[in-house]
Amino acid sequence: SQQGEEDPQALSIQEGENATMNCSYKTSINNLQWYRQNSGRGLVHLILIRSNEREKHSGRLRVTLDTSKKSSSLLITASRAADTASYFCATDGEKLTFGTGTRLTIIP
Amino acid sequence: DAGVIQSPRHEVTEMGQEVTLRCKPISGHDYLFWYRQTMMRGLELLIYFNNNVPIDDSGMPEDRFSAKMPNASFSTLKIQPSEPRDSAVYFCASSFDRRGKLFFGSGTQLSVL
Repeated sequence: SQQGEEDPQALSIQEGENATMNCSYKTSINNLQWYRQNSGRGLVHLILIRSNEREKHSGRLRVTLDTSKKSSSLLITASRAADTASYFCATDGEKLTFGTGTRLTIIP
Repeated sequence: DAGVIQSPRHEVTEMGQEVTLRCKPISGHDYLFWYRQTMMRGLELLIYFNNNVPIDDSGMPEDRFSAKMPNASFSTLKIQPSEPRDSAVYFCASSFDRRGKLFFGSGTQLSVL
């Protein structure tokens, strides 16, 4: 069964806008990761946030983690057409399991 | 490093045939994972290895599925006999540790007719 659930399932925004995706999970974790998947390709790791961290940045990416609510968010600022992809959170309960993904479309 | 290498990239076969998927992990990675991705079920972990030893195969759907890792640089996932419901994208990934960053291959798109 999947540990994480992303919300929304699909998101379309104009280029230049910010995109926010959310992930909720069920059990305690040591860390949470976000991955990107372009159509027809493998997943690419974006960022890892540990359970004792609340926020982490990497370039245009900002990830937050709220362990009390068992949720995380991924913010992509100043979106570009190349950001069009599916985004997955992954949690490390008993094993690393992936959520259902958010399909992000950036409209040029 | 070339990254995780999977072959074939696409496989089309008929029901009942044996299918073998191959994976070469990144050198130095101690963990190797096999995932299956479908629209209905998303990404499912099938099995993972640590230092060539299978650790958790609870995700392997049936006895028709088997995986081996004869050495640190090669793993196979075999389906025998294949069924149409096995149609999916199969990914191999490797990492330094079980809970760390995964490096994925490009996947094998399997179609069983």
